[in-house]
Amino acid sequence: GAVVSQHPSWVICKSGTSVKIECRSLDFQATTMFWYRQFPKQSLMLMATSNEGSKATYEQGVEKDKFLINHASLTLSTLTVTSAHPEDSSFYICSARGGSPRETQYFGPGTRLLVL
Amino acid sequence: GQNIDQPTEMTATEGAIVQINCTYQTSGFNGLFWYQQHAGEAPTFLSYNVLDGLEEKGRFSSFLSRSKGYSYLLLKELQMKDSASYLCAAMDSNYQLIWGAGTKLIIKP
Repeated sequence: GAVVSQHPSWVICKSGTSVKIECRSLDFQATTMFWYRQFPKQSLMLMATSNEGSKATYEQGVEKDKFLINHASLTLSTLTVTSAHPEDSSFYICSARGGSPRETQYFGPGTRLLVL
Repeated sequence: GQNIDQPTEMTATEGAIVQINCTYQTSGFNGLFWYQQHAGEAPTFLSYNVLDGLEEKGRFSSFLSRSKGYSYLLLKELQMKDSASYLCAAMDSNYQLIWGAGTKLIIKP
């Protein structure tokens, strides 16, 4: 299957700082990338969908100014959590999909964010 | 509205067979995905069904009935490492995945 990487896998930061998470598709071109958040023992929550070269589409209730998404190339998308607060602590997972909308989404390993 | 239903938790015995059911209601339909998620890890892809019938892949099989809005994941010869959450996701007419809350499968020796 396709390989998607995420970096960093763990990050601990102070409240008020910004954190950038990278998502890369290693062996395919990801036309579309997705960012999810998952709180402990809860289901995946889609935050936003990004297509290469265009602005991300955010789900209802997700602040676009707080969660900045950039999908500048077919293999890289970044999520920046600006002015992070303790309630932003969560498991952030990206997924990537190739050119066809029906293609499978492949997930990165996730990034655990802890904001102190 | 769009909705996915699957049991919250199931328990099975090592070596046995378990069937995890999923019913869905979506605006249009472009296929049904099953993912496995171990605790603390990201989901990994298991199967995709878009036509009615059974797709077998080793110890795992997935079934779809479009007319009934129903799918199941069948796991045979259960191993302890199969203890995980199993996520059902249906793709709607906009190619958006609608996710179920997941079924936590507990395997007992």
